[in-house]
Amino acid sequence: QSALTQPASVSGSPGQSITISCTGTSYDIGIYKFVSWYQQHPGKAPKLMIFDVNNRPSGVSNRFSGSKSGNTASLTISGLQAEDEADYYCSSYTISSTWVFGGGTKLTVL
Amino acid sequence: QVQLQESGPGLVKPSQTLSLTCTVSGVSISSGVYYWSWVRQHPGKGLEWIGSIYYSGTTYYNPALKSPVSISVDTSKNQFSLKLRSVTAADTAVYYCARGAGYCSGGTCHPLDYWGQGTLVTVSS
Repeated sequence: QSALTQPASVSGSPGQSITISCTGTSYDIGIYKFVSWYQQHPGKAPKLMIFDVNNRPSGVSNRFSGSKSGNTASLTISGLQAEDEADYYCSSYTISSTWVFGGGTKLTVL
Repeated sequence: QVQLQESGPGLVKPSQTLSLTCTVSGVSISSGVYYWSWVRQHPGKGLEWIGSIYYSGTTYYNPALKSPVSISVDTSKNQFSLKLRSVTAADTAVYYCARGAGYCSGGTCHPLDYWGQGTLVTVSS
């Protein structure tokens, strides 16, 4: 199984909005709503930010939102804050009953 | 409060078996609601799903893994374990255990919502 495709890096200024894309295939993102997004700060474990394409776990800021169109999912962070600077990973269930992650995107808050 | 903690050797010799255990507290693995998973992260790289196990012993593995892998569960100790055989330097990584992932059915899936802190395993002679 191939990793989902994410941009290596994105950046934005405080207060701005950014969007991170995650492109898969018709064997994963294209056919399932089971797309998740994880935030990882250096030296820390990943943290679930979005599940089932556009649902937020309790305690996650509503500045984080998700969407999906065709084989591509997206994570949008609005009102960027310094604490949002981290690596972000998407993940999807696949037709083989396995899971695949994206390569990760480094978000820099300028 | 759900907590997961990985334990095991931090150094493994090439061709030997990497063995890690995840101890779960705050929830019973036997509840049958969740799958339990292993994820690894090579130094400076992204996340890689290794596999998932249900309390009954049903497992799903990443077919892309080069080293033979097995995941087992001990419900009496509320633990699940990972074994990676014939390891090479390419298996050097931080290994995380987490709750969720696994098989999705009936339109329901559980994401990886609780994670252990991770443990670095180095494969070197």
